[in-house]
Amino acid sequence: EVQLVESGGGLVQPGGSLRLSCAASGFTLSGYWMHWVRQAPGKGLVWVSRINSDGSNTNYADSVRGRFTISRDNANNTLYLQMNSLRAEDTAVYYCARELTGDRRFDYWGQGTLVTVSS
Amino acid sequence: DIQMTQSPSSLSASVGDRVTITCRASQSISSNLNWYQQKPGKAPQLLIYAASSLQSGVPSRFSGSGSGTDFTLTISSLQPEDFATYYCQQSYSTPRTFGQGTKLEIK
Repeated sequence: EVQLVESGGGLVQPGGSLRLSCAASGFTLSGYWMHWVRQAPGKGLVWVSRINSDGSNTNYADSVRGRFTISRDNANNTLYLQMNSLRAEDTAVYYCARELTGDRRFDYWGQGTLVTVSS
Repeated sequence: DIQMTQSPSSLSASVGDRVTITCRASQSISSNLNWYQQKPGKAPQLLIYAASSLQSGVPSRFSGSGSGTDFTLTISSLQPEDFATYYCQQSYSTPRTFGQGTKLEIK
């Protein structure tokens, strides 16, 4: 069974850092592009970042570029999001999602991890 | 970046109703359009991919159509479990932008 399980969320002060993890099981992570998507409380889904299969290519939303870094450890089937210089507007549930090659649908999502940026 | 605009933002309907949600892209995205359903406190779930293909396990009352810039999601006969928020997403280019969502509520 395919599973994605996020962890690492929590309460952090403005300007602080967090590293989110997304543990994949039931499939081989190295075969897929992976994404992070976030959702602020009561708001819609917002795409955050994407990494290709071997980690050699990454993309970011304008709102996080230069502050967030996506990475992956295919040997340990884990995706990461390093978040630095956090702002109140980064408060959200963060989801990791698997993208299928070809039609590029997000076919599996994790349950999400909540990041709260507040003093 | 490609902007995705859904309408309506919210919709009230009754069990058994036929419901249509529309999604418009700011430029042509061919058939690279996906639909997701999200219930409160849960992760989004894929319903429709490539504009009109039904994801495995999704009931056949859900259907999608469209290409280019205009797309629709139709629920042929609403069931109680369908009351949720629906999002379209383009997979034509990065960033993989989402629509703002359509909240489907019980009338």
